[in-house]
Amino acid sequence: NAGVTQTPKFRVLKTGQSMTLLCAQDMNHEYMYWYRQDPGMGLRLIHYSVGEGTTAKGEVPDGYNVSRLKKQNFLLGLESAAPSQTSVYFCASSKSSTGELFFGEGSRLTVL
Amino acid sequence: GEDVEQSLFLSVREGDSSVINCTYTDSSSTYLYWYKQEPGAGLQLLTYIFSNMDMKQDQRLTVLLNKKDKHLSLRIADTQTGDSAIYFCAAFKGGYQKVTFGTGTKLQVIP
Repeated sequence: NAGVTQTPKFRVLKTGQSMTLLCAQDMNHEYMYWYRQDPGMGLRLIHYSVGEGTTAKGEVPDGYNVSRLKKQNFLLGLESAAPSQTSVYFCASSKSSTGELFFGEGSRLTVL
Repeated sequence: GEDVEQSLFLSVREGDSSVINCTYTDSSSTYLYWYKQEPGAGLQLLTYIFSNMDMKQDQRLTVLLNKKDKHLSLRIADTQTGDSAIYFCAAFKGGYQKVTFGTGTKLQVIP
């Protein structure tokens, strides 16, 4: 049972490059989320989706875009990477709006 | 918006009890969660408590909720080296589909 799968797991970018992180879940969950984790700051919500075709901004959306064209996939894009976006990114999904989240293993992104 | 705070670090000896504390600001939070993150992994749900409960026990884990002070704690009895991890407190408010996490408390268990 795969659960939530994130790709890639590691990536190094140069400032100004673009990339997309892919999150896939096989649990038929309605809700999906992208968080970033930074030392001493916990997890901060970047964007989230309450269903296919819908997205919404979280606490720290600037510099990121998302899309949810299919229910099982939630993509996080960086159009022009900056060193401040060096972080570990976590995708999560939930079957209901109760806060019980299932997490992927994370994607470590370094922007030089 | 919601703000959730935790201390960053806790060290205990194997076999002792650990108590990890958390405070939150939004009294209308409906669910409060404890997640565990082991090194190099994502977060996994440990336990949760509804806002209308004061206490919940689940094997070695005891969650206490003081709604008046907006304080949540997680007690781990007979702490083992396998309990070494980062523990996140999280608060959820119904209708917003968003979970706010604390900074995480790194638990170090000394053999």
